[in-house]
Amino acid sequence: GESVGLHLPTLSVQEGDNSIINCAYSNSASDYFIWYKQESGKGPQFIIDIRSNMDKRQGQRVTVLLNKTVKHLSLQIAATQPGDSAVYFCAENRSGAGSYQLTFGKGTKLSVIP
Amino acid sequence: EAGVAQSPRYKIIEKRQSVAFWCNPISGHATLYWYQQILGQGPKLLIQFQNNGVVDDSQLPKDRFSAERLKGVDSTLKIQPAKLEDSAVYLCASSPPGTRVGWETQYFGPGTRLLVL
Repeated sequence: GESVGLHLPTLSVQEGDNSIINCAYSNSASDYFIWYKQESGKGPQFIIDIRSNMDKRQGQRVTVLLNKTVKHLSLQIAATQPGDSAVYFCAENRSGAGSYQLTFGKGTKLSVIP
Repeated sequence: EAGVAQSPRYKIIEKRQSVAFWCNPISGHATLYWYQQILGQGPKLLIQFQNNGVVDDSQLPKDRFSAERLKGVDSTLKIQPAKLEDSAVYLCASSPPGTRVGWETQYFGPGTRLLVL
């Protein structure tokens, strides 16, 4: 079936370096994508979103890139800090059962080495 | 702005018992969602409400799970009877209207961690 997935389950990065978390999606009809950060014991926290009519969107220290040709999404975190350590999920919003459903990938655990 | 509130934060029950979770969404958010997150996985949608009406409950195991949002604000999710495989984090989320359908940003609460023994 169609799903959202991640290339790497874990990622270790030195503090101060840039992090890149990748995500592949297979539903070409999806037109809204969101990155969430989930710290241990907490609910997912919205980081940044992008719509299918865009290729790139920047926030504070984060950038999301969308490549619709190869159905690939990435999250770039600049100058990674210890507080960035968490599990990161990409999610796609796609039509289902008469409504839009947010479908999550499996997550990538980012560990920042001080 | 206050976030999505959930209670209890933790619950331990024995199989075949009943349990209920409560959610208070962000003020003004008409859409409310319940998700189940099993350890090591991403959240999975159980049910979606628009005001007090159900929009999508296609993935809700209706033989044991039920949810309601009577006045269009708070919501409760109930499991009766619970099974071992129901052990998970139950997340509530809410969203304001988006610029178009399908572009609504969902904001999550801290979740209720359920352990079924």
